[in-house]
Amino acid sequence: QVQLQQSGPGLVKPSQTLSLTCAISGDSVSSNSVAWNWIRQSPSRGLEWLARTYYRSKWYNDYAVSVKSRVTIKPDTSTNQFSLQVNSVTPEDTAVYYCVRGFSSYMDVWGKGTTVIVSS
Amino acid sequence: DIQMTQSPSSLSASVGDRVTITCRASQSIITYVNWYQQKPGKAPNLLIYSASTLQSGVPSRFSGGGSGTDFSLTISSVQPEDFATYFCQQTYTSPDVTFGGGTKVEIK
Repeated sequence: QVQLQQSGPGLVKPSQTLSLTCAISGDSVSSNSVAWNWIRQSPSRGLEWLARTYYRSKWYNDYAVSVKSRVTIKPDTSTNQFSLQVNSVTPEDTAVYYCVRGFSSYMDVWGKGTTVIVSS
Repeated sequence: DIQMTQSPSSLSASVGDRVTITCRASQSIITYVNWYQQKPGKAPNLLIYSASTLQSGVPSRFSGGGSGTDFSLTISSVQPEDFATYFCQQTYTSPDVTFGGGTKVEIK
């Protein structure tokens, strides 16, 4: 059974960097058939896809246009994890962040979510 | 971006009722639609993928249909554990997937 365990701080100050990690069990971050995603959810923006990383003989990363300049996703094969960094956060980045396993046309396993509040 | 418009935004139903939620895409997405259920404080849970395929372990009272721009999720006989919020998602423009605004199903 695939499980995703999220970790990271729940409070970040404006202009600082938000960092989250997702530990994978029951699958591999290097799997050739899935992608590893970050999605966030807020009352104002709803569910919003942010980024994905996947391995197909080499590593690929994709980002949402709305956050591309501020977001980095990274796989870590040594620990079977992947991470998200969001730079220069503002209160608009306040949301519940989820790590999610995705196939080509659907997303089937979600982490429990991390509530991140951006506030001084 | 493809917009996904769900209706209604909320509804009240009694246990045993038949409930249908609709989702309209701003352009044709063939059958690249998925449906998720979310309960308060929990992550979304995949119910239906590719418009009409039931995810493993999901009760058969859930069904999905549609193609092109109009899609539906039906619960044939609502059970107490089905009171939740439901979201549609389009993956036609993957990785830039988008979600509907959600439909909250409440107890009448």
